[in-house]
Amino acid sequence: QSVLTQPPSASGTPGQRVTISCSGSSSNIGSNYVFWYQQLPGTAPKLLIYRNNQRPSGVPDRFSGSKSGTSASLAISGLRSEDEADYYCAAWDDSLSGVVFGGGTKLTVL
Amino acid sequence: QVQLQESGPGLVKPSQTLSLTCTVSGGSISSGSYYWSWIRQPAGKGLEWIGRIYFSGSTNYNPSLKSRVTISVDTSKNQFSLKLSSVTAADTAVYYCASETPNWGWGAFDIWGQGTMVSVS
Repeated sequence: QSVLTQPPSASGTPGQRVTISCSGSSSNIGSNYVFWYQQLPGTAPKLLIYRNNQRPSGVPDRFSGSKSGTSASLAISGLRSEDEADYYCAAWDDSLSGVVFGGGTKLTVL
Repeated sequence: QVQLQESGPGLVKPSQTLSLTCTVSGGSISSGSYYWSWIRQPAGKGLEWIGRIYFSGSTNYNPSLKSRVTISVDTSKNQFSLKLSSVTAADTAVYYCASETPNWGWGAFDIWGQGTMVSVS
């Protein structure tokens, strides 16, 4: 059972906008930054979003993050087939004194 | 550009100790810019943070694994290592080493190794 809660799956058609939610608590998302990772099949995760809504160099601006209270969201606009992957949210948890991840959301591009 | 590479046995017997090493290339582990972490992923499942170390030797561990985990650093070899004792089948997973950039916040793993599969059997 993951500390952060994500829907197990999401889907969209090419060109659509999809959002993936991540729910936590006051000890993690509510008081710390949220991060998003993309994991393509058979590869290591890649940092997509840091500090709730910042993109590392090279990450397309189609990817955006937001946070409100104890929840966060990742939005992907102009969906492409290559966006089909697993997406994970993460945050520091003050109570556990460690990094916690969501269970992951498998995004399917129909 | 910093690169990470995991190495170690792919098969460990139950009750024994899993030992992995991560070699850092393209930069110094002692630069102070990163913390160095281990993260694992059982097949078909999500990510689990195991713990981290700073070049000074300061560590943080996942409370659920803390009693069995030791992470150490060898600055002379530009490596850091993971030891997980008393393993069971539940420890079978792909193990990743990753660098964490504190300037971006705790949880910002910006560089990852390719991962190494460890089976307990």
